[in-house]
Amino acid sequence: QSALTQPRSVSGSPGQSVTISCTGTSSDVGGHNYASWYQQHPGKAPKVMIYDVSKRPSGVPDRFSGSKSGNTASLTISGLQAEDEADYYCCSYAGSSYVFGTGTKVTVV
Amino acid sequence: EVQLVESGGDLVQPGRSLRLSCAASGFTFGNYAMHWVRQAPGKGLEWVSGLTWNSATLGYADSVKGRFAISRDNAKNSLYLQMNGLSAEDTAFYYCVKDPESVAGSHFDSWGQGTLVTVSS
Repeated sequence: QSALTQPRSVSGSPGQSVTISCTGTSSDVGGHNYASWYQQHPGKAPKVMIYDVSKRPSGVPDRFSGSKSGNTASLTISGLQAEDEADYYCCSYAGSSYVFGTGTKVTVV
Repeated sequence: EVQLVESGGDLVQPGRSLRLSCAASGFTFGNYAMHWVRQAPGKGLEWVSGLTWNSATLGYADSVKGRFAISRDNAKNSLYLQMNGLSAEDTAFYYCVKDPESVAGSHFDSWGQGTLVTVSS
């Protein structure tokens, strides 16, 4: 299983919106509505922000949203805040395994 | 509150074995599938293996197939990873991860803090 493709980095000013893409294949992202997104701050464990493409766990701010089109899932952070600066990883169920994305560093400038 | 505490990480020589453990608390451990996910220092996440509530294997990453074995003891609320034939490429933080379902779920809803395995001579 090859890693899902994410941009290496994205940046935005406080209050702006940023979108991170996650491109896979019909065997993973495109074949299941099971894309999820994880936020990881330096030295910390990952935390799920979005699951099942667009569902938000309780406690996750509604400025985080997810979507999917074909083989590409996307995470949008609206109203960017300083605490959103972190690494973000997408993940998809792939039938008999799970595959993560390459990771995207979000910088709040 | 869900708590997952990994242990067993160490510095080991190439070719040697190591067994990781994960102690779970704060939820009914025997009701949920569990996984191991690893992250090499400064690198991305990689799913290693998963196990259903009743110890049916969900599979292994190609990179560890035939060398690693996942297991659990529901009576002890514990998850394990037996790692054999270790190489430098296995150097990583290993996270114990909870599934929201009893079998293969769509995501990972709780993570431990990780235990570091370093393979070096």
